[in-house]
Parts: sequence; structure tokens; C-alpha cells
Amino acid sequence: DAGVTQSPTHLIKTRGQQVTLRCSPKSGHDTVSWYQQALGQGPQFIFQYYEEEERQRGNFPDRFSGHQFPNYSSELNVNALLLGDSALYLCASSFGEVSPLHFGNGTRLTVT
Amino acid sequence: DAKTTQPTSMDCAEGRAANLPCNHSTISGNEYVYWYRQIHSQGPQYIIHGLKNNETNEMASLIITEDRKSSTLILPHATLRDTAVYYCIVRVGLVGNRDDKIIFGKGTRLHILP
Repeated sequence: DAGVTQSPTHLIKTRGQQVTLRCSPKSGHDTVSWYQQALGQGPQFIFQYYEEEERQRGNFPDRFSGHQFPNYSSELNVNALLLGDSALYLCASSFGEVSPLHFGNGTRLTVT
Repeated sequence: DAKTTQPTSMDCAEGRAANLPCNHSTISGNEYVYWYRQIHSQGPQYIIHGLKNNETNEMASLIITEDRKSSTLILPHATLRDTAVYYCIVRVGLVGNRDDKIIFGKGTRLHILP
């Protein structure tokens, strides 16, 4: 049973470009959350998707957007990349109200 | 903002029990306490969670005070592989409500010493 898978594992982009990160949830999970983790910091909540809708959003600008597909997989899009967007982007999936989050190993994004 | 406070770092000798404290003085009656850990370059890993009662699984034990304002994660026999950042989180669990967001603090960096 595959856990949460994220792609790509590493990515290098230039300022001003756009990026799309992908996430496949753990089998049986229907909710996907995205987090940004800067070096030495805890994960920061970006948003959560359930039933293909954004349900909750953290304190991130509109440059960060997402999508959830009918098969529960999800994408995170970031437009107009800034140097400060360099971070580890984590996807987590869950099911139900008290289901623990299961995390992927993230996508390391470097913006130059 | 995170609803929990944890020490920034702790040391523990290999083979001894590691006791990681967490304060959550503003916890609500319907909020669960969750613990995760993150080993370098990996995603956070779920350890254990509880509401009121103490909990134990194959990884750890969770002791929650009677007033629920604090908790302690216990790793009974710490090994070098337990060196990680440990996060304590509170999260609402309401049937039918998926509108919760899990907020991480900075966690406790646990060093297991040989």
C-alpha cells in the first residue's frame, strides 16, 4: 500500500516563473493538505482540499493556488516565484475527522 | 498561530526514556493532542494522538494531564534513530466537520546521545 507520493522530489526555478507540484494521497484518503517548510522552521499550513474544494487556507498570498482531482490527487501551483518561496513543500493526506495526517517526503523547491 | 509550546531542544541518553513535554493551556474540549516527528529530509511522521486518556502504541506513550492543559510524549527506550524534531499539535475533531487546519509550531529538537 503506497503512502503519500509527491513529485518531483527536487526542482529549480527562476524568479518570476510558475511551478506545479503534485501529490497522490495514501490509498483510502480523501483529504489533502499542503504545507511549506522553510529551513529550520516547522511546516506552515497553505491550504486543505476536500471534495475538490479548498476548505481551509493559511496566510499565503493568491499566488499559491491548488486543485484536487476526482481521484483525490492534488496539485499546488505557485505563480510569479520569489526567492522566499524556496522551501520544502509537503503534502499530507487524511480521512475522516480524527484521522492522522500522513505526509509525503516533499518537493524541495529552489528559486534562483 | 500554534496553540502549543514546547522546549526548543532536549538531550536524552541512548537506552533511557525520553520525556517530551508540551503545553496546550488553551485547548478546547473537542481538541485532540497529536504528536509527529520529523527526521531530517523526510516528511513528518505520525506518532500518537489522544483526547483525554493516556494512550500507548508500539512507538510511544502519551500522558495527558487531567485538566488537559499539558501532555508528555514518552519514548520508552530511546535509540539514535529517535533523533528528530518532535511536534505537538492540537486539532479539532468534530464529526462532519472537515474544516480544521493543523498548525505546527517549531517543535522540540531531540538529540539522542550515545
